[in-house]
Amino acid sequence: GIQVEQSPPDLILQEGANSTLRCNFSDSVNNLQWFHQNPWGQLINLFYIPSGTKQNGRLSATTVATERYSLLYISSSQTTDSGVYFCAVVTNAGNNRKLIWGLGTSLAVNP
Amino acid sequence: GAGVSQSPSNKVTEKGKDVELRCDPISGHTALYWYRQSLGQGLEFLIYFQGNSAPDKSGLPSDRFSAERTGGSVSTLTIQRTQQEDSAVYLCASSAEETQYFGPGTRLLVL
Repeated sequence: GIQVEQSPPDLILQEGANSTLRCNFSDSVNNLQWFHQNPWGQLINLFYIPSGTKQNGRLSATTVATERYSLLYISSSQTTDSGVYFCAVVTNAGNNRKLIWGLGTSLAVNP
Repeated sequence: GAGVSQSPSNKVTEKGKDVELRCDPISGHTALYWYRQSLGQGLEFLIYFQGNSAPDKSGLPSDRFSAERTGGSVSTLTIQRTQQEDSAVYLCASSAEETQYFGPGTRLLVL
């Protein structure tokens, strides 16, 4: 099955710094989503981005489907950005809408 | 409702007992997913309901796990004869199109 790899696994930033998180996937996809899980465990959808670029405030994401990767950019990081960032994909095979999840990038933003 | 709700929020049970976890999806969402997340780990897919189609049960770890979705809305995940390794956070998500919206989870502890 499709493999989803995220990097780096862990990241520590000083408040105000910028960062880039990467998600590589091993097969073509028709659905890619980025999620943030806060330290209390709540998962929030950040972007639905099977291709192209989207921006939402200090966050933006780019997916290059032909090269099988997606990037999540965090600018001017804040302590509230801490948590785990997950990438999840759905392959182009059949009508399957089941998301395949990466293991996440754990981000800690220090004041 | 405004979002996905799950109950109970926490459950402590003794090994060998049965437990039922409930998920109320966002009204009108046709797809419902159950995941399991162990401490510090990524999400493990359990089961997926899509409308009136047969559910995708490929992620259920054993025959002690079962789930149903009544009337295309509320879902119940049942774990029979619980084991200590079943301790985890059980997350439910629903979607109308591609974006998944998560509930707060049920934290299960099997003693």
